[in-house]
Amino acid sequence: GAGVSQSPSNKVTEKGKDVELRCDPISGHTALYWYRQSLGQGLEFLIYFQGNSAPDKSGLPSDRFSAERTGGSVSTLTIQRTQQEDSAVYLCASSLVSGRNTDTQYFGPGTRLTVL
Amino acid sequence: GEDVEQSLFLSVREGDSSVINCTYTDSSSTYLYWYKQEPGAGLQLLTYIFSNMDMKQDQRLTVLLNKKDKHLSLRIADTQTGDSAIYFCAESIAGGYNKLIFGAGTRLAVHP
Repeated sequence: GAGVSQSPSNKVTEKGKDVELRCDPISGHTALYWYRQSLGQGLEFLIYFQGNSAPDKSGLPSDRFSAERTGGSVSTLTIQRTQQEDSAVYLCASSLVSGRNTDTQYFGPGTRLTVL
Repeated sequence: GEDVEQSLFLSVREGDSSVINCTYTDSSSTYLYWYKQEPGAGLQLLTYIFSNMDMKQDQRLTVLLNKKDKHLSLRIADTQTGDSAIYFCAESIAGGYNKLIFGAGTRLAVHP
């Protein structure tokens, strides 16, 4: 079956523009996560969805960042008024259920965002 | 606060064993994970260990956990060029869902 997919794979934008990053989780996976991977850094947690609701948004770095999930499936991460420090690889992961520590998170290939 | 630390780079000769080390800070972590990231790909779960275990073996992989020192290691036996990748250590934070805190990753380079 298909894994987690993300689009676009690469995005170059100018400072101040808005961008939307898309994640298609594995079909049937109820939990969805967004992470950010900056150069030389580990993965930084951004937000967690269970179904369409986001019980944990604590990792969103500023109010320029928002995310939504519709139909318990596709999620979009939106960054408004992008800044150069937003340049990173944005990774999405999904898991079948959550609340169990052994729920394997399956990762997509990521979207590399470059803000000029 | 939660923090996971790893050395950034490891170089080994093909056929030798590789040992990648990780330290974490949250004593309430219930599971600890090792993920592998190959170039241009997402993260792949390699293995995980429950915090009440001190060792887990899975084919060429051996995970050792020292809970007292909050130290985790991944040993890869008979390292191959296909093992070249970035390896991430992660701890699972208690909180109702599987929230993972990742280290910065160790880049493993395997040379002939």
